[in-house]
Amino acid sequence: EAQVTQNPRYLITVTGKKLTVTCSQNMNHEYMSWYRQDPGLGLRQIYYSMNVEVTDKGDVPEGYKVSRKEKRNFPLILESPSPNQTSLYFCASRLDSEQYFGPGTRLTVT
Amino acid sequence: DAKTTQPNSMESNEEEPVHLPCNHSTISGTDYIHWYRQLPSQGPEYVIHGLTSNVNNRMASLAIAEDRKSSTLILHRATLRDAAVYYCILPEYNFNKFYFGSGTKLNVKP
Repeated sequence: EAQVTQNPRYLITVTGKKLTVTCSQNMNHEYMSWYRQDPGLGLRQIYYSMNVEVTDKGDVPEGYKVSRKEKRNFPLILESPSPNQTSLYFCASRLDSEQYFGPGTRLTVT
Repeated sequence: DAKTTQPNSMESNEEEPVHLPCNHSTISGTDYIHWYRQLPSQGPEYVIHGLTSNVNNRMASLAIAEDRKSSTLILHRATLRDAAVYYCILPEYNFNKFYFGSGTKLNVKP
C-alpha cells in the first residue's frame, strides 16, 4: 500500500532533549515536506526537499533541522526542543501536483 | 505568500451539492489552484487542482472564473464523510511551497 509513515505518532519530551521524528514514503517520490499544525494558525511549512541532498526552508524553519540522505526518508530533527514546538507535525511526499500526507505526530515539549 | 480568502465555515445537507468559494485576486498567470481537505484527526488529502479550465475528478469539480480571481470547489452530493476543513492553495516555486491558510470548515447535516 502506498503510504507515508511517521514515527513516533505521539511523543512527550522535556525541554532541551534532542529528538528525531522519522518520515518514510514507499512511493519513490522525489519531493518531501514537513508541516506543523497549531490551533488558529493552520498548517505551516517547516522544510521541504526536492530530492536527495536538496533541502530548503519553508515558512517556519527556526529550531528545526532536516536531512535527506536517501529518497524514501526525510527525518525532522529538533536539536533542543522548546515548549513552543509543541504541535502536531505532518510529513508529506509529492508526485507531480498531488501531496500525500502522513498520519501526524503529536509532540508535547514540557 | 500567494493569498487566498475563504469563508470560515459553511453548512450543507447530506446528498445536496456544496459550493465552496475561494478568492485569489492577486493570482498570477502561472499559479495553479489546488484544493486539499483535512478530515477530523487526519492529515490533509489532495482533492483537485487546475489552472484555467474547469476540472473534474472522482472527488469533486473545480470551477475557475474566467479572470481566475476566484474559484469554486463543487461537491456534487455531500456525504457525512465530506465534513472536513477545505483548503484553497496557490502553491509557489514550482509546487514546492504550500501556504494552507485557515480554510473553510464544512459541516454536513444528516
